[in-house]
Amino acid sequence: NAGVTQTPKFRVLKTGQSMTLLCAQDMNHEYMYWYRQDPGMGLRLIHYSVGEGTTAKGEVPDGYNVSRLKKQNFLLGLESAAPSQTSVYFCATETHSGGAYTQYFGPGTRLTVL
Amino acid sequence: TQLLEQSPQFLSIQEGENLTVYCNSSSVFSSLQWYRQEPGEGPVLLVTVVTGGEVKKLKRLTFQFGDARKDSSLHITAAQPGDTGLYLCAGAGPMHAGGTSYGKLTFGQGTILTVHP
Repeated sequence: NAGVTQTPKFRVLKTGQSMTLLCAQDMNHEYMYWYRQDPGMGLRLIHYSVGEGTTAKGEVPDGYNVSRLKKQNFLLGLESAAPSQTSVYFCATETHSGGAYTQYFGPGTRLTVL
Repeated sequence: TQLLEQSPQFLSIQEGENLTVYCNSSSVFSSLQWYRQEPGEGPVLLVTVVTGGEVKKLKRLTFQFGDARKDSSLHITAAQPGDTGLYLCAGAGPMHAGGTSYGKLTFGQGTILTVHP
């Protein structure tokens, strides 16, 4: 039972290059999220999905696209990377119980855009 | 837009001292969570508080949710070097009509705690 995994763990891109970050979960959770974490700013929501085939914009969606073709996978794409997208990216899944939410985070992907 | 102000941003203390981290907002949250994050890893949930005025204890950690569900605090008694890390509070928005909901957590900026031996 791996929980939430993210690939790759590290990546360096040049401005204008594209890449896809993969998030995979084996917990059968419906809800999945992509966050970015920057110093002094906590985590900010990029996009999220409430189920297979659905996606929605979060707080900072510009420059990113996502897809949820399979329930267990949530992909985050950067079509044309910019230095402002240098960050640590976290994927999370979510369960609900007793009116409360619990999010489970992956280990993160550290992305540097030169 | 819901905002969560977390303070202090940095905290450096000696082993054995007590500390309190605060999380404040002008918005009402349906629940509030505290996470701990270590370098190179994702945040890990410590506790969720749901009811206004609720107090939860986890060993040396005490979590409180404000009566109006707009603020929360984390108190650590007799801090240890193993408590070192980034502490994040996160508020969840209101439940949607019909009982369905999703988290869409709003995170505070985080408190970097260093406990020196």
